[in-house]
Parts: sequence; C-alpha cells; structure tokens
Amino acid sequence: QSVLTQPPSVSGAPGQRVTISCTGSSSNIGAGYDVHWYQQLPGTAPKLLIYGNSNRPSGVPDRFSGSKSGTSASLAISGLQAEDEADYYCQSYDSSLSVHWVFGGGTKLTVL
Amino acid sequence: EVQLVESGGGLIQPGGSLRLSCAASGFTVSSNYMSWVRQAPGKGLEWVSVIYSGGSTYYADSVKGRFTISRDNSKNTLYLQMNSLRAEDTAVYYCARELTGTPNWFDPWGQGTLVTVSS
Repeated sequence: QSVLTQPPSVSGAPGQRVTISCTGSSSNIGAGYDVHWYQQLPGTAPKLLIYGNSNRPSGVPDRFSGSKSGTSASLAISGLQAEDEADYYCQSYDSSLSVHWVFGGGTKLTVL
Repeated sequence: EVQLVESGGGLIQPGGSLRLSCAASGFTVSSNYMSWVRQAPGKGLEWVSVIYSGGSTYYADSVKGRFTISRDNSKNTLYLQMNSLRAEDTAVYYCARELTGTPNWFDPWGQGTLVTVSS
C-alpha cells in the first residue's frame, strides 16, 4: 500500500480529456515535495513524463500537463489518443519513511 | 544519446545470488546519482537502492543487508549484487539516473532485466 494513492484505472474516448490524481499527505506532497509522473507503455520501461509538478521534458507533447495543490497532484491528458493507453505512476518523497523515493500504485489508462 | 542497458537477470533458486549490470552511454555514471527500481509481475514500481556520486549508498528496508549497489568507473557501469534471494525479489529490475530535484526524478531508465527467484 503506497503512501501516494492513485485510482487503479481511468478511461476516456479518443479526443477527450482525462485526469489522474495522486493523493498524498502532510509528510509527502503536502510537505512541499514535488511530484513527478512516468508513463509506462505495455511491455516497456517507465519514461519520464512530467517533472517538478508541471514541467515537460523535451519531446513530451503539450497534451500532457501536471499540477499540484495541497496534498494532491494531478496529471491531465487532453486530446486523448490510442497510443496514450499505458500505466501512469506518480513519484515523490515521504519524510516519514526510510525509503528515498515513493511511487504511487499506478493508474491504468484505457482509451475506449 | 543518453542510454542505459541492463543485463544479468535470469532464473535463480531461493537463497542464490545474482549480479545485475547496467551499462551507461552518453553520460558518466560516477558523476550522477544512480538508482535501481524494481517492478514485480503485474505490480507497481518500488525503489530499491541508490549510489550517490560521492559513493554513499542507500537501500530499501526490504533488501538491506542482502543487496549491494556499486559501480565501475572505468566501465561506466552500475551493478546490483543480490544475495540470499527470495521469491518476493522476483521482478523486472530497472536502473535509472537520478536528476536533481525536490525530490530527484528518474531519467532515463534502462529497458529492464527480469529476475525470477523460484525452485
């Protein structure tokens, strides 16, 4: 059970906008730690999608955006495309744990 | 091009040992924080270990005392020595470079190598 909670699954039709939440607490996101997001396409390694809450690495389409507020963060995907079907993970730090970094449990995005 | 390529995974019996390698290109391993992250079949991501550029090492409680992270600067390669392996260590193991943030983030990731612990 991760300290960062994500919905197990979300879905949307092509062209729609979906959001994936990452809910934490006062010892992680709420303490001011940034949230990063990764996309894992089926059978492949994770890939950095968003860093520092809302920054996109070079090459990531601007259809992907991130935000953070209070003890939660969100990943939004607009203009949904079939190739966006993947697992998405948030990552941050928790001061109450001995591990360096924590990941959310992951969210499976299905494009209908 | 910045790239990481893992190797060394395989089928190993419980209690056995295995060493994973992660060869880097396009950047210098010793100048970066480098981590191992694993993913059990059908499960999420779990951070395993990190080695700092200065040489300090840290481990998740689940592997502390059994796994050792190291690097060979001459080969620009990261390693994970895994001893006393258990069934619950079965996973795809990824190496990743950490980039500085609050907290750090992982980029790039290797393609992963599968470790299966089973009799």
